[in-house]
Amino acid sequence: GQQVMQIPQYQHVQEGEDFTTYCNSSTTLSNIQWYKQRPGGHPVFLIQLVKSGEVKKQKRLTFQFGEAKKNSSLHITATQTTDVGTYFCAGPDGGATNKLIFGTGTLLAVQP
Amino acid sequence: GAVVSQHPSRVICKSGTSVKIECRSLDFQATTMFWYRQFPKQSLMLMATSNEGSKATYEQGVEKDKFLINHASLTLSTLTVTSAHPEDSSFYICSAQVAAGTTGELFFGEGSRLTVL
Repeated sequence: GQQVMQIPQYQHVQEGEDFTTYCNSSTTLSNIQWYKQRPGGHPVFLIQLVKSGEVKKQKRLTFQFGEAKKNSSLHITATQTTDVGTYFCAGPDGGATNKLIFGTGTLLAVQP
Repeated sequence: GAVVSQHPSRVICKSGTSVKIECRSLDFQATTMFWYRQFPKQSLMLMATSNEGSKATYEQGVEKDKFLINHASLTLSTLTVTSAHPEDSSFYICSAQVAAGTTGELFFGEGSRLTVL
């Protein structure tokens, strides 16, 4: 079945350093979504990318969708302690139900 | 954004009892809701797709008789963990899409942390 992998599994940075998480799907995706889950919380939608090679920015966050629409990345510039949490990418399984398959996630820890 | 409310947020029960978790869409109608399960420090695993007025679609490996899903109205889906055992202890989260039949963003409930003693 479809698999969505993320690397790294865990990243510990000093506040102010940059951070990147990479997402790779075993199948081509019609779109890719990114979610953030704070410790003890629930996933919150960040963004959706649809076009091949698309790049979107949200303040210090930059999201990219690969040309082949099988991979994506999230880059955070100058991390802050509020960035702490697990970042998940998710893609539709391509079936009739349009269910989302979540990636393995990257846990970001930011040391003040 | 759309609001999905889940209740209870935490529940502790004895082994062998059943637990019902409710998921409500507060400001929109959700013909489809999704139930996920999450173990500590792991990803979200889709358990089933809940369809209003029809039977839920379960993912491979998820026991239908163990995890009963009912989606009786456009704003409410329930997950009942029957005869719960310690291995059922987990974080259960529901989600819904505002636009049915699309792959738009999911709005998640707050989640329910189940502990089975």
